[in-house]
Amino acid sequence: RKEVEQDPGPFNVPEGATVAFNCTYSNSASQSFFWYRQDCRKEPKLLMSVYSSGNEDGRFTAQLNRASQYISLLIRDSKLSDSATYLCVVLSNDYKLSFGAGTTVTVRA
Amino acid sequence: DAGVTQSPTHLIKTRGQQVTLRCSPKSGHDTVSWYQQALGQGPQFIFQYYEEEERQRGNFPDRFSGHQFPNYSSELNVNALLLGDSALYLCASSIGTGGRETQYFGPGTRLLVL
Repeated sequence: RKEVEQDPGPFNVPEGATVAFNCTYSNSASQSFFWYRQDCRKEPKLLMSVYSSGNEDGRFTAQLNRASQYISLLIRDSKLSDSATYLCVVLSNDYKLSFGAGTTVTVRA
Repeated sequence: DAGVTQSPTHLIKTRGQQVTLRCSPKSGHDTVSWYQQALGQGPQFIFQYYEEEERQRGNFPDRFSGHQFPNYSSELNVNALLLGDSALYLCASSIGTGGRETQYFGPGTRLLVL
C-alpha cells in the first residue's frame, strides 16, 4: 500500500465552481500534512499546511481527519489559474516527506 | 534573494553512464533534500543532507549518492544509469531537519537516459 494515495482526477470544473478532493495516508503516526501545487513542468510550491482544526486561506480550505487518516482540500470560486496538479504531502514520524501522485484540476472558462 | 537553483536544466545520457546534478539552496537554508519525480508520479524522496552529512535516505539503491559542501550547496550523483532513472530530479532546501519547515523546491533537472 502506498504511503499517500490520491484520486488522480482529472477534475474538470467551470470557473466559479467549488471542487474538493481527498488524500489518504497509511501511517497513523504521521506528524504534519501539507498541500503543494505543481504546474505543468514546474516545481512543486507549498499551497498550505494542514492543521488539526482545519484551516482556510482565502478560497482554499484544508481539513484533517486523523481518525480516518485523510486530508481534504476544497477550492471555492475556482479561477482559471487554479488549474494545476495538487500534491498531498505527509511528514512521517521519522521526518520524511511522502508525496501523493497528485490530483489534477482543470478549470474551464 | 535567489531561490533554489539547479543545474543543468536538462541532460541526456546513455545507459551505464554516470551523472552529477547540482543544487544551490535558498539563502539562509542549511538543509538540502533530493527527490526523483517520474512522469505522472509525485516526487519520491532520495535523501537529505544537513551539516555535510546524509541524515535521511529513501528507498533508492547505492547507485544514488550525494554530497553537501560547506556553503550548503549539494550534488546528486547517479552511477550506472538505467533507462528507469529518466525523471525530473528536484532539489529542495529548508532550515534544519525537523521536517516541519517549508521546503522550497528548485526548478529541477530533467534527465533522459537513452
